[in-house]
This record gives sequence, C-alpha cells and structure tokens, in this order.
Amino acid sequence: DAGITQSPRHKVTETGTPVTLRCHQTENHRYMYWYRQDPGHGLRLIHYSYGVKDTDKGEVSDGYSVSRSKTEDFLLTLESATSSQTSVYFCAITEGQEPNTEAFFGQGTRLTVV
Amino acid sequence: GQNIDQPTEMTATEGAIVQINCTYQTSGFNGLFWYQQHAGEAPTFLSYNVLDGLEEKGRFSSFLSRSKGYSYLLLKELQMKDSASYLCAVRDSNYQLIWGAGTKLIIKP
Repeated sequence: DAGITQSPRHKVTETGTPVTLRCHQTENHRYMYWYRQDPGHGLRLIHYSYGVKDTDKGEVSDGYSVSRSKTEDFLLTLESATSSQTSVYFCAITEGQEPNTEAFFGQGTRLTVV
Repeated sequence: GQNIDQPTEMTATEGAIVQINCTYQTSGFNGLFWYQQHAGEAPTFLSYNVLDGLEEKGRFSSFLSRSKGYSYLLLKELQMKDSASYLCAVRDSNYQLIWGAGTKLIIKP
C-alpha cells in the first residue's frame, strides 16, 4: 500500500471556523492532490501541488487554501467553514503526470460543518 | 465543458458477468482509468487504457474506443466482494484526472 496518511479521519466543526486537514506521504512523490467527493458528483479537484511551495487551483478551489512546505506534507485549509463544505476529502499522490501514472489515495477525511 | 457519464447503480448476480459503461467528452485525452471504491474506503486502481481495444487483468477487463468516447469495465465470475462503486476517470490535455460520479454495483447471491 502507498504510504499516505490523512488526519483527522473524522471532524465536526462549526460554521465560520477555520479547519486544516493534513496529508502525509512516505513515497517521496512529487505530485499531491486534494479532492472532495460528494454524492452524485465525481471526485472534484480542489488544489494540487507539483513540488514544495508549488501549488495550483483545481475546479472547486473557492474557500480553500493549501500549503506544501515539505515534500511529504500537503495541508488543506478551509478558511471559514460553511455547510456546503461538508464532504469527504481525499488526498492523492502521483509520482509524475505521465499519462499512465496511477493515483494513490489516502483513506479520506469525513468533514461535517454544522 | 468536460463530462463523464456512468450509470448510477447496477445490480448483478454472484457468478455472473456485468459490464459497466463510461462515456466521456473531455478537452483532450491522455488515457482512461478505472478505480474501485468500497463504501467508506479510498479508491484503488483497477486498469488503464490509452489505445483502442481490450485490456484483460484476471476477472476484470477494460475496453476503450477513442473515436466513440466510450469505455467499459467487464467483471466476470462476480463475487460478493465485488460489491463496490466503480469510478471512471479520464486524463485530459492538462494531464488532470476528470472523474465520473461512479457506478454502485450491487451483487446479489
């Protein structure tokens, strides 16, 4: 199994509070991604990183920020949580972005905003 | 816009064969992936197609027709443990993965 750990695994938070989710990998892979998964939708890309301090936005980046200060850690921050951000969040890693490169996923974080 | 369509849910019988279809319209094409996701778990890689034709891996096969924007995942000799969601994803011209909403497969004894 790819060494990807997400923390926390579950979190309940109140509307308006900041929340940070952590993704830690032991594979030394260059690319890291944050997705959210909601019923009726495919995995949607929030942000991704292609190296330390190198990040870019995905299709649903509003209300989220990320940081990558070390190769192994990729943090996702909800600046002021809203109920629409209740979701399951998955971190993924890929070694590169060659066409046949498969993504490995963490176990997910279930976030509930009340 | 980019779009990937899969049936929402399918039901099949243990021991039978099931085909899960995926159609896509994306900006560019750099390969198509199938992933399996059990309830409450992470997606795991099943197969990758970039050329037209059939790729076989044990009980699972995946087919691609680029001209038709179409793929299917074929599962043979179904087992109860195959009950899961199956996700289709296309790598687009920016090398990002575009995901379908997934097909929930229910296996009945």
